[in-house]
Amino acid sequence: QKEVEQDPGPLSVPEGAIVSLNCTYSNSAFQYFMWYRQYSRKGPELLMYTYSSGNKEDGRFTAQVDKSSKYISLFIRDSQPSDSATYLCATKSSGDKLTFGTGTRLAVRP
Amino acid sequence: DAGVTQSPTHLIKTRGQQVTLRCSPKSGHDTVSWYQQALGQGPQFIFQYYEEEERQRGNFPDRFSGHQFPNYSSELNVNALLLGDSALYLCASSVSGTTDTQYFGPGTRLTVL
Repeated sequence: QKEVEQDPGPLSVPEGAIVSLNCTYSNSAFQYFMWYRQYSRKGPELLMYTYSSGNKEDGRFTAQVDKSSKYISLFIRDSQPSDSATYLCATKSSGDKLTFGTGTRLAVRP
Repeated sequence: DAGVTQSPTHLIKTRGQQVTLRCSPKSGHDTVSWYQQALGQGPQFIFQYYEEEERQRGNFPDRFSGHQFPNYSSELNVNALLLGDSALYLCASSVSGTTDTQYFGPGTRLTVL
């Protein structure tokens, strides 16, 4: 079993839709949670970084962490074609090593 | 403020050869981590360098080695290349002793024929 599970998709939505992306993790030592966006053949770009359970909002993006169920989510409001990318969830414990999910490919149709 | 830079962008090698990839961290960062990302997969941690020493290592054979220089830049070396080493190699930098996360470079795409 992988430490971080993520549905690879692909997920296709119309422009303007609300997108929900999710990951589950198994290691209770994970304390920090991140979402990265990766365009094709590019490096991952940090979108959201959270520590505790709860919600964090940044513009059209909301990250949600539920440590009790080991579940992390990213919501994208008013999705745009430019949001089409692969979204990677990542976690880490107190050390620096990041553990990633497989990534979910998202396509936003104009 | 320059972000993480990597060179070269693309590289084609044949089986059995050796390759060196280079990374310059984001300004102010002192720690460099390397990841391997196979097609359709998430990045896998190779190792991390701090103060010119390997601080942490993932589940990769010792064909994978690295180095960090006094200016915090880093190299990843892979010996005896296998077809399965074909991947995007990502460098990430961070600041040791903080809770800040890692910032990634654009990657080097390695193709082994």
